[in-house]
Amino acid sequence: RKEVEQDPGPFNVPEGATVAFNCTYSNSASQSFFWYRQDCRKEPKLLMSVYSSGNEDGRFTAQLNRASQYISLLIRDSKLSDSATYLCVVTRGNAGNMLTFGGGTRLMVKP
Amino acid sequence: ETGVTQTPRHLVMGMTNKKSLKCEQHLGHNAMYWYKQSAKKPLELMFVYSLEERVENNSVPSRFSPECPNSSHLFLHLHTLQPEDSALYLCASSQETRISPLHFGNGTRLTVT
Repeated sequence: RKEVEQDPGPFNVPEGATVAFNCTYSNSASQSFFWYRQDCRKEPKLLMSVYSSGNEDGRFTAQLNRASQYISLLIRDSKLSDSATYLCVVTRGNAGNMLTFGGGTRLMVKP
Repeated sequence: ETGVTQTPRHLVMGMTNKKSLKCEQHLGHNAMYWYKQSAKKPLELMFVYSLEERVENNSVPSRFSPECPNSSHLFLHLHTLQPEDSALYLCASSQETRISPLHFGNGTRLTVT
């Protein structure tokens, strides 16, 4: 089983749509969780951290379910500029500087 | 504008060549990393340096040799690479805390011929 699993997509959605990505992780000791965004041929950039209580940043909402070892990202009112690959990232246990990346979910927002 | 700078952006080398990738961070971070990103595969952690000491060597072949002379600079020395080593090599830095997001450089795209 992969340490971090994501549906690779692509998810093709129209502008204005709401889209959700899911991610599962295998290490129950993981403590910190993140979503990164990677544009084509660019480096990954932090989109948002994921907190136990769930958190929102504008059109983006992240949720964490520790019991099911499941993380989600919801994007509302999709924009063309949201087209990218979204990477689910978890720490290896409590090691703050050891991150495991999922393979990413590709999103394409169409006009 | 990234606080982590990598050079060169692109590199083509033969299997018998020796080359080095360079990374510099201007963020005052105390941990630096090398990641490899191959097509259709997740980012793979190669090496971690924390406070200039190597704390992780993720079963990387010895033809990859990292060097961290200080907390701002990181090198990856390459020799006798194989074509399957062609990939995007990403440097990153972070402040070593319990929750420490990574800041990536824009990568070196390496092609081994």
